[in-house]
Amino acid sequence: EPEVTQTPSHQVTQMGQEVILRCVPISNHLYFYWYRQILGQKVEFLVSFYNNEISEKSEIFDDQFSVERPDGSNFTLKIRSTKLEDSAMYFCASTGIEGVLAYEQYFGPGTRLTVT
Amino acid sequence: AQSVSQHNHHVILSEAASLELGCNYSYGGTVNLFWYVQYPGQHLQLLLKYFSGDPLVKGIKGFEAEFIKSKFSFNLRKPSVQWSDTAEYFCATTVGGGADGLTFGKGTHLIIQP
Repeated sequence: EPEVTQTPSHQVTQMGQEVILRCVPISNHLYFYWYRQILGQKVEFLVSFYNNEISEKSEIFDDQFSVERPDGSNFTLKIRSTKLEDSAMYFCASTGIEGVLAYEQYFGPGTRLTVT
Repeated sequence: AQSVSQHNHHVILSEAASLELGCNYSYGGTVNLFWYVQYPGQHLQLLLKYFSGDPLVKGIKGFEAEFIKSKFSFNLRKPSVQWSDTAEYFCATTVGGGADGLTFGKGTHLIIQP
């Protein structure tokens, strides 16, 4: 069964450094998402991406965040200058064709980002 | 803004017990409702979903949920739990189409004792 994959599984970085989290969505999916979960808190929506542009973003997704689909398979989240409070599990998700199936988001295993 | 409340953060049950996990949402209009499960060491998986129609929806692994619009609720049920149901359960909602991000509840950590 097709899966969303994410790399790396764990990333440790120093405060102020840039990080890029990578995701490979399911191949025929059209919508892509990033979520994060700070330890002990709820999963929070960051951004959605469709047709090579951002469709929707939350208040969390400020200027230090950016997303890109650099080729036909990868979907990346860049954090420009990491802060301690960016430490979280970051989940990528994708969803398929339009219509009813577009509501079913498939999640990757997550990348644990630790900012020191 | 939407919000989702899950009342039980930790639930411990014995095998064969019946399960009901509460979920309430705040949005007054048309909503799409989901339950996701995260087994230990695995990623979030969709258990079941409600878009419209029959308010009692059946999902995988014997789970079901009932949408009660008057109560803004979407509670998850299973008549007889198994040890393998030990996991984190998340209720979530969207109000729109394919691009909308999910709004999650805080999750319920379910432990099934053999």
